[in-house]
Amino acid sequence: EAQVTQNPRYLITVTGKKLTVTCSQNMNHEYMSWYRQDPGLGLRQIYYSMNVEVTDKGDVPEGYKVSRKEKRNFPLILESPSPNQTSLYFCASSLSRGKRDTEAFFGQGTRLTVV
Amino acid sequence: SQQGEEDPQALSIQEGENATMNCSYKTSINNLQWYRQNSGRGLVHLILIRSNEREKHSGRLRVTLDTSKKSSSLLITASRAADTASYFCATSAGNTGKLIFGQGTTLQVKP
Repeated sequence: EAQVTQNPRYLITVTGKKLTVTCSQNMNHEYMSWYRQDPGLGLRQIYYSMNVEVTDKGDVPEGYKVSRKEKRNFPLILESPSPNQTSLYFCASSLSRGKRDTEAFFGQGTRLTVV
Repeated sequence: SQQGEEDPQALSIQEGENATMNCSYKTSINNLQWYRQNSGRGLVHLILIRSNEREKHSGRLRVTLDTSKKSSSLLITASRAADTASYFCATSAGNTGKLIFGQGTTLQVKP
């Protein structure tokens, strides 16, 4: 089954404790991205990757890191989480930036609480 | 930056009625997409309309696009309680593959 898998689904952590949210897709998609969703603000892009070893900042990259060492994986790293990073996070993938009319596939989300 | 603005923010209707949601955007686009999100879950793609298309249908969904007004509408006909969800428009522009989402319309369909 074609899917984007995020782990964990729920996470409560303390300020400053490094964490990683994993994302994996099995559709051989080139483009992957991370979004955060907050009430009243909609979905905002954090980072994106157009291919292996190619990553770039989205609209709200501060406090986050990503890597793209393999095509299927795109982990989101919070080196020193703070309470304002409490949010619902989504990973998404799509076929290729060269094909402009493609849909995005989303993971089920990770609800992160930083206390 | 927010590209899509959606209207209304919330909509409550009875089962069997039609639901219409609107989306406006600011810049030229390649396509506009609509997604559905059940409470706290991932977004699911519903329909994509290209910038050179004016109307598209998929089952009970009808999407229109007016590039001169930079607006789109999503119509769900004969709504069902299972249609209760949040609906987001998203625009794609340029060659990066980036989608910019609106803030969504929360639809409640009462049985």
